Amino acid sequence: DADVTQTPRNRITKTGKRIMLECSQTKGHDRMYWYRQDPGLGLRLIYYSFDVKDINKGEISDGYSVSRQAQAKFSLSLESAIPNQTALYFCATSDPGRGDTQYFGPGTRLTVL
Amino acid sequence: DQQVKQNSPSLSVQEGRISILNCDYTNSMFDYFLWYKKYPAEGPTFLISISSIKDKNEDGRFTVFLNKSAKHLSLHIVPSQPGDSAVYFCAATGKSNFGNEKLTFGTGTRLTIIP
Repeated sequence: DADVTQTPRNRITKTGKRIMLECSQTKGHDRMYWYRQDPGLGLRLIYYSFDVKDINKGEISDGYSVSRQAQAKFSLSLESAIPNQTALYFCATSDPGRGDTQYFGPGTRLTVL
Repeated sequence: DQQVKQNSPSLSVQEGRISILNCDYTNSMFDYFLWYKKYPAEGPTFLISISSIKDKNEDGRFTVFLNKSAKHLSLHIVPSQPGDSAVYFCAATGKSNFGNEKLTFGTGTRLTIIP
């Protein structure tokens, strides 16, 4: 079983719709992250969380919100999706006690029409 | 402002030869560097890292070299194998200054190993 899972894996939606992407991990890590990947731009950090009570904005947080429901769950929401949010979204986890290497989920491909 | 740059979007190498992937950075606060490998339809996976106190780190077929004065690092894969065909991302962080919570990624290099 995968240590970091993301649901859904693919989603097509329309402009203005609310979308939630979910991430779960069984690694027991406190730190979780959301990134988006766009062609030619690499991965960019949207939000990150060091524990359940900690939420921090990343490089490109506008238009997104997050919820850390438990140590193992970190959700990303698009309150009103727009076409330029079409991208590949990745969740990641890390453990500062073990080198803080980030482990990524398989990704969610989101298309906003 | 791209603080981590991978100027080669793609690279093709014959199987068995050496693959060299390059990465440049501009932020002098970066002191820890990582390489991630990504296959299609999968998330990036950690490959190898190097701290700025070293200039080389080796793990099997993979070696990362760091040239701090040039703000340049490279990943060498020897010998290259077909399973190495993937997109490789360079990433950097200022671990000593603000922890490892913000990895800054390069744009990636697609490596294709030709059988």
